[in-house]
Amino acid sequence: DTEVTQTPKHLVMGMTNKKSLKCEQHMGHRAMYWYKQKAKKPPELMFVYSYEKLSINESVPSRFSPECPNSSLLNLHLHALQPEDSALYLCASSQDPSGSQQETQYFGPGTRLLVL
Amino acid sequence: ELKVEQNPLFLSMQEGKNYTIYCNYSTTSDRLYWYRQDPGKSLESLFVLLSNGAVKQEGRLMASLDTKARLSTLHITAAVHDLSATYFCAVDLPYGGSQGNLIFGKGTKLSVKP
Repeated sequence: DTEVTQTPKHLVMGMTNKKSLKCEQHMGHRAMYWYKQKAKKPPELMFVYSYEKLSINESVPSRFSPECPNSSLLNLHLHALQPEDSALYLCASSQDPSGSQQETQYFGPGTRLLVL
Repeated sequence: ELKVEQNPLFLSMQEGKNYTIYCNYSTTSDRLYWYRQDPGKSLESLFVLLSNGAVKQEGRLMASLDTKARLSTLHITAAVHDLSATYFCAVDLPYGGSQGNLIFGKGTKLSVKP
């Protein structure tokens, strides 16, 4: 099973709303990632969790708040977003964050977010 | 700052033809990945290249890595319409002792026409 699941698939929210994106994997991977992808652009890394600890935060605004409740789950809490935050948000996971057995990152289907 | 450059960014080819997509990167890394993305879909892993001289093939696609030249290629043989998609290369930039900080190229949008 090489599946990463994400919910919801689509989300429309106002600038004053609070919402959360969820990501789940059951491959025993110890690294999980959030990416943002604007239309016709490559994915941009937002956050990396390694063994459930935040290890990389690519200068993401505080209106995005990640959470890793356990090794299988990753959340992205959204608050007071701006219209320019509208994008496809991708979750990914990989087996070994230390890199000794680095394999590919497996991506979920994404959540398409529209901020009005 | 790591830069990853792909070319071409757009590629229109006829079925049955061969072509190569190039991925250059600006700093030392021995981990390079190729992904495919269909419109409105997520990324599908194609190849993981972990050492100099690595070559991997799957169907009509073959990827190679030259870490000395900081160059990876994705070669398409006898293209078919089903290969139409956007192809991204990504380089792993170690951060604080951890891997997984992928920097993506801009992508090559491939269109295969009959």
